[in-house]
Amino acid sequence: DQQVKQNSPSLSVQEGRISILNCDYTNSMFDYFLWYKKYPAEGPTFLISISSIKDKNEDGRFTVFLNKSAKHLSLHIVPSQPGDSAVYFCAASASGGSNYKLTFGKGTLLTVNP
Amino acid sequence: SAVISQKPSRDICQRGTSLTIQCQVDSQVTMMFWYRQQPGQSLTLIATANQGSEATYESGFVIDKFPISRPNLTFSTLTVSNMSPEDSSIYLCSVRNTGELFFGEGSRLTVL
Repeated sequence: DQQVKQNSPSLSVQEGRISILNCDYTNSMFDYFLWYKKYPAEGPTFLISISSIKDKNEDGRFTVFLNKSAKHLSLHIVPSQPGDSAVYFCAASASGGSNYKLTFGKGTLLTVNP
Repeated sequence: SAVISQKPSRDICQRGTSLTIQCQVDSQVTMMFWYRQQPGQSLTLIATANQGSEATYESGFVIDKFPISRPNLTFSTLTVSNMSPEDSSIYLCSVRNTGELFFGEGSRLTVL
């Protein structure tokens, strides 16, 4: 049973336009959400996160929105750049406990066309 | 952030053999984590490596198959034992720092 779902395996957008990557989760205990970006032959790199006490977090061109009632979050990239082309992973965790465990989605391959 | 180095970056292995992956961090960390990403799948936590104690394994992963060492606060190894083609994956070492996980570049194993 996948607790974190990224239903779009791929997304293609034009340079300068907005990229919207979506993520749904089923575990109501999740209260911290992260997005990671992964280039080929590299490990995932942390991009942006959001706590469940917020519904929006912005960092430059990247904004994450959280809709707790819908158990849905999205990552907006605007404007999109060719260098943003990568696989984006959504991840979630439940606070508490000594083991910091992230549950990941399968990822969405974003391609930004020049 | 933390700088994490993994060795090997990739390898091709024969069925039935074992391979040890090394992970070196540039700072002392209490917990190190080992993840696996099978083709087309999400990253899955294998185990948490604690310095001075046995690793804590997630459901579906056992010590006999994935023995882990953690001799000090900057180093850990993961061994994939008695490999089969199903073990072909990217194995990633990670550490936690200021709330986020930082990952090594991964070790891509192909088992023939």
